[in-house]
Amino acid sequence: DTEVTQTPKHLVMGMTNKKSLKCEQHMGHRAMYWYKQKAKKPPELMFVYSYEKLSINESVPSRFSPECPNSSLLNLHLHALQPEDSALYLCASSQESWTGDVRGYTFGSGTRLTVV
Amino acid sequence: SQQGEEDPQALSIQEGENATMNCSYKTSINNLQWYRQNSGRGLVHLILIRSNEREKHSGRLRVTLDTSKKSSSLLITASRAADTASYFCATDPNSGGYQKVTFGTGTKLQVIP
Repeated sequence: DTEVTQTPKHLVMGMTNKKSLKCEQHMGHRAMYWYKQKAKKPPELMFVYSYEKLSINESVPSRFSPECPNSSLLNLHLHALQPEDSALYLCASSQESWTGDVRGYTFGSGTRLTVV
Repeated sequence: SQQGEEDPQALSIQEGENATMNCSYKTSINNLQWYRQNSGRGLVHLILIRSNEREKHSGRLRVTLDTSKKSSSLLITASRAADTASYFCATDPNSGGYQKVTFGTGTKLQVIP
């Protein structure tokens, strides 16, 4: 299995809702990432997990809460989001987080989030 | 923060022609990667070049890296309609510790059949 699976593919939520995005990989990768991508912009790093521990938080607002329950799963919990948080949320994984693996990152297809 | 800027922002060519995209970055890097993104989907890793390498090939792709100029180029030869996508360079800054890859602004390539 050489894929990163993200669910759901699309999500519409109100500003008072609580929802979660899920990401799963079975490649034995030890680093997992959340990126946010606005339309016609590059992906922006949000969080990095290495060996199930949060190693980088790019000053992301607390209404985004990451969780790594085990080495294969990564969640992003959403609460009290704003309309400007609407974006494509991408999950990625890599063999390690510091060796510059020649295989690079494996990305999921993303969750298209709309906050209304 | 964005590390790389790409040029051109958009490129339209005929099928069979070559496409060249350039990436400039600001700080020292461990490696530079190129990714492709089809509209609204995830990114696909194309190739990684390390800071001590100057050129790398993979199929129809040729990547060069000039660390003195802090720039890289991606050449796609004999382009196909299926190559239509956005292409991003991604840099891994030489700051030690964890990989903190950041993406450039991207080049949108259209290959006309």
